[in-house]
Amino acid sequence: AQKITQTQPGMFVQEKEAVTLDCTYDTSDPSYGLFWYKQPSSGEMIFLIYQGSYDQQNATEGRYSLNFQKARKSANLVISASQLGDSAMYFCAMREGVWNDYKLSFGAGTTVTVRA
Amino acid sequence: DAGVTQSPTHLIKTRGQQVTLRCSPKSGHDTVSWYQQALGQGPQFIFQYYEEEERQRGNFPDRFSGHQFPNYSSELNVNALLLGDSALYLCASSLVGHNSETQYFGPGTRLLVL
Repeated sequence: AQKITQTQPGMFVQEKEAVTLDCTYDTSDPSYGLFWYKQPSSGEMIFLIYQGSYDQQNATEGRYSLNFQKARKSANLVISASQLGDSAMYFCAMREGVWNDYKLSFGAGTTVTVRA
Repeated sequence: DAGVTQSPTHLIKTRGQQVTLRCSPKSGHDTVSWYQQALGQGPQFIFQYYEEEERQRGNFPDRFSGHQFPNYSSELNVNALLLGDSALYLCASSLVGHNSETQYFGPGTRLLVL
């Protein structure tokens, strides 16, 4: 079964507007971590933001925020005030059982194109 | 502060050949993970090395092997290359017990098997 589901293959957003990227996950482990990465066309995977399963507050990092809804098993990424440089592929990833499972499981990704 | 580096950036091989990819972790990190990313897909975990031992392995055949050196750098070896091994190979480093062991990635090696 897919552990990470990203249902939006591609999205267009106007410069300076906000965009929300959907991510749902599947795990029965109470301890897990959720990550978002940005991958420009150059290929490097850039870490954006992290949310732990026990974190009480939603994570924020500059223009990035994570809308964590534990009961719904969703971890949507919100990018505020979009910039042309935000055009890239975005991946949601999960690490389960943080004490004995070290791998990241990735979704299929969402392509974001920012229009001027 | 040096980030994760990988070499080479691009590589072309033919079926049946062997290839070695190299990775140097971010300064201060002690763990290296390798991922394979096929075109249009998310990365797939190959294995992770810590203290020069394979700590965890994904669903990849034994043709994929690795090594970690005392300076924490790592190699990924792939034997008997298949056309399906063509992909972007990403190396990521992290520090055990710190920062939720967030993995930071290098620029990748693009491997084309003909």
